[in-house]
Amino acid sequence: TQLLEQSPQFLSIQEGENLTVYCNSSSVFSSLQWYRQEPGEGPVLLVTVVTGGEVKKLKRLTFQFGDARKDSSLHITAAQPGDTGLYLCAGGGSNYKLTFGKGTLLTVNP
Amino acid sequence: GAGVSQSPSNKVTEKGKDVELRCDPISGHTALYWYRQRLGQGLEFLIYFQGNSAPDKSGLPSDRFSAERTGESVSTLTIQRTQQEDSAVYLCASSIFQGSPQHFGDGTRLSIL
Repeated sequence: TQLLEQSPQFLSIQEGENLTVYCNSSSVFSSLQWYRQEPGEGPVLLVTVVTGGEVKKLKRLTFQFGDARKDSSLHITAAQPGDTGLYLCAGGGSNYKLTFGKGTLLTVNP
Repeated sequence: GAGVSQSPSNKVTEKGKDVELRCDPISGHTALYWYRQRLGQGLEFLIYFQGNSAPDKSGLPSDRFSAERTGESVSTLTIQRTQQEDSAVYLCASSIFQGSPQHFGDGTRLSIL
């Protein structure tokens, strides 16, 4: 069974601070996706990384896929209250099935 | 609409009753997925449809759970003889084809009393 561990589980920071959340596994994934989910809504895809060592930037968000394709990180620079939400990582295999982590619940206080 | 639509958004029912949850995927999306999200947990895969067929039902927790899809469009997830442990948010997603990015609906929050 493939498992994805996300850390920290909870993170509360002040507006303007930087943060990094992690997604780790003992399994290799062909792709790694990051989603953000707000209360009462479904997850929204932020990015997909597919190549070991790949780094993608989305405005203040930087996503990295580990060289061995077993782990990933999400770094947010100068966090804003609008970044508040549940951040989920999901690993993709050779088929359609995604394995989700339990998420990091981020709160950015004004 | 432009996105995945799920109904009802909330459902409260008594233990032992049957419930039916509906998902309208994005038009033209051939793949459809159902997930369950328990409080404080990640998304748990339930079932996948390619067109109207379900090649993978491995995630269904028990034989009380079933799902169908018709017209390569609407899908319904049925839970018979509901139990309290069935309480969760049930999310539906669709994608253009297998392996392409999945677009999620806002889910049905199911509460079993």
